[in-house]
Amino acid sequence: AQSVTQPDIHITVSEGASLELRCNYSYGATPYLFWYVQSPGQGLQLLLKYFSGDTLVQGIKGFEAEFKRSQSSFNLRKPSVHWSDAAEYFCAVGAREYGNKLVFGAGTILRVKS
Amino acid sequence: DAGVTQSPTHLIKTRGQQVTLRCSPKSGHDTVSWYQQALGQGPQFIFQYYEEEERQRGNFPDRFSGHQFPNYSSELNVNALLLGDSALYLCASSLGTGLYEQYFGPGTRLTVT
Repeated sequence: AQSVTQPDIHITVSEGASLELRCNYSYGATPYLFWYVQSPGQGLQLLLKYFSGDTLVQGIKGFEAEFKRSQSSFNLRKPSVHWSDAAEYFCAVGAREYGNKLVFGAGTILRVKS
Repeated sequence: DAGVTQSPTHLIKTRGQQVTLRCSPKSGHDTVSWYQQALGQGPQFIFQYYEEEERQRGNFPDRFSGHQFPNYSSELNVNALLLGDSALYLCASSLGTGLYEQYFGPGTRLTVT
């Protein structure tokens, strides 16, 4: 079965500190990987995506993510967090073999302390 | 360029009632997917519409149905509402049925009492 695990429900970091949000997936196919951000009461905004090629992908707002096939991971990183980054982050996976749906993790809530 | 829009923003219904949620896709997009996001959880795929047909369906009962119109807008209908249907319903649009970028709307918050 397809599944996405985000091990950290909550993460708190200081403003200016680095950030890494973890995502592991279980998929019997070549995955397409996404990170979305959701602010309170809002929909989802796409931060970045990986389809193929270079395993280090750059996204908006200074975020990047690295695809590691051997570890089935797609962790999100940012070198210096801003207070405005406080939100909930979702990792999502899709695969052509399973149609066009996205399977989401349960999310990680990021708190930024000043 | 308008993004994905959804209406209404909030909705309160009683158990057993029926509800219709609406979605207009981003300009140029022809595919609409619906997701249910319960409180504290990630979105779950309900179904996807393309060329006015349901192309793929997630693990949701037949009480959940949909429709896509010739202008690509879509409706989600839920019959015989249960308390457990309370959630944020998200619409996402994309171009074609491939795994391309899906652009999400702000959602409709449904509360069933």
